[in-house]
Amino acid sequence: GQQLNQSPQSMFIQEGEDVSMNCTSSSIFNTWLWYKQDPGEGPVLLIALYKAGELTSNGRLTAQFGITRKDSFLNISASIPSDVGIYFCAGRTNYNQGGKLIFGQGTELSVKP
Amino acid sequence: GAVVSQHPSRVICKSGTSVKIECRSLDFQATTMFWYRQFPKQSLMLMATSNEGSKATYEQGVEKDKFLINHASLTLSTLTVTSAHPEDSSFYICSATEAGRGSQPQHFGDGTRLSIL
Repeated sequence: GQQLNQSPQSMFIQEGEDVSMNCTSSSIFNTWLWYKQDPGEGPVLLIALYKAGELTSNGRLTAQFGITRKDSFLNISASIPSDVGIYFCAGRTNYNQGGKLIFGQGTELSVKP
Repeated sequence: GAVVSQHPSRVICKSGTSVKIECRSLDFQATTMFWYRQFPKQSLMLMATSNEGSKATYEQGVEKDKFLINHASLTLSTLTVTSAHPEDSSFYICSATEAGRGSQPQHFGDGTRLSIL
């Protein structure tokens, strides 16, 4: 079946540092989404990408839809303690499947003040 | 923005009990809702796609008689874990996409922590 490979699995960084994580797939996606999940809560949408090559920012977050449509990255600049959490990429291949998403394994981010 | 409400947030019950979890879209109509299961330190695993007015579509390996899904209105889907056992303990999360806007991102509820004793 389709899989998303997300890396790194975890990151331990100092406050103020920049962060980069990415997802790759063997399949082509029409949509890439990045979510953040805090402990005991549901994922919250950070950035949605709909076109190959698209680069989108949301505050300190920047994400890109890879030109091959098989990858995406998320960057966080000048990290702060509240950035702590698990970040998931998710891809969607076909709207006719009701928008079913495939999730990456997650990147757990720890920020040291 | 789109809000999805999930209830209850936490359930603790004895083995053999059936548990119902509700997922509501509060400010939009959702013809499609999704149910996920998440174990600690793992990603979200799609269990089933809930379709308003029709039968749910279950992912491979998910028992439809164990996890009953009802999507009777455009704003409510329910997941019932029948005769729950300790191995069913997990974090269950629903999501929804606005009707007619299948290209839009899924919005997630806050999850239900199910603990079976």
